[in-house]
Amino acid sequence: QKEVEQNSGPLSVPEGAIASLNCTYSDRGSQSFFWYRQYSGKSPELIMSIYSNGDKEDGRFTAQLNKASQYVSLLIRDSQPSDSATYLCAVNEGTGKLIFGQGTTLQVKP
Amino acid sequence: GAGVSQTPSNKVTEKGKYVELRCDPISGHTALYWYRQSLGQGPEFLIYFQGTGAADDSGLPNDRFFAVRPEGSVSTLKIQRTERGDSAVYLCASSLGSGSSPGELFFGEGSRLTVL
Repeated sequence: QKEVEQNSGPLSVPEGAIASLNCTYSDRGSQSFFWYRQYSGKSPELIMSIYSNGDKEDGRFTAQLNKASQYVSLLIRDSQPSDSATYLCAVNEGTGKLIFGQGTTLQVKP
Repeated sequence: GAGVSQTPSNKVTEKGKYVELRCDPISGHTALYWYRQSLGQGPEFLIYFQGTGAADDSGLPNDRFFAVRPEGSVSTLKIQRTERGDSAVYLCASSLGSGSSPGELFFGEGSRLTVL
């Protein structure tokens, strides 16, 4: 069974702290990896994509990929209350099919 | 339109009825995806199209579910003999991606289906 796994949380961090969100995937053939943010009652929106091992930074967000460990993470620096949402990890298995994890709920407390 | 449009936004039906959900993707997007999302869960893959053809329909749960995209643009998800377990938000997404690389998916606001 091909899977994408995330801790459902909630993950609670104080405002200004670093939030660390993790995801593991089971298919070694997976080629591209995405983090989507979903506010309550809204649809997912893409915040980061990563295709090769290492780190990718975009503003306060850093995505990290380790294909050997089949592990993807998202770091959010200087967390703000507006970052409170569910973060979905998504994996392309190489066929164009995008599989989502169950999501991690992040709560940033002022 | 500028974004992915889904209709209806809300549908309440009775067990055993037939339902159609419509998705109008972003103009020029060749790939179109259908997902189903239950409360507290991530989007569950159902099917995706490249152009008019279903590239992967492995997520359709059973033969009561069917989707079409006859002209490579608008898609309809059809559910026959609805069951209470079909209640969920059905999300449609489109992307410019082709082949094995989906790129960024742009989601519609979803169709909330409730089966009584």
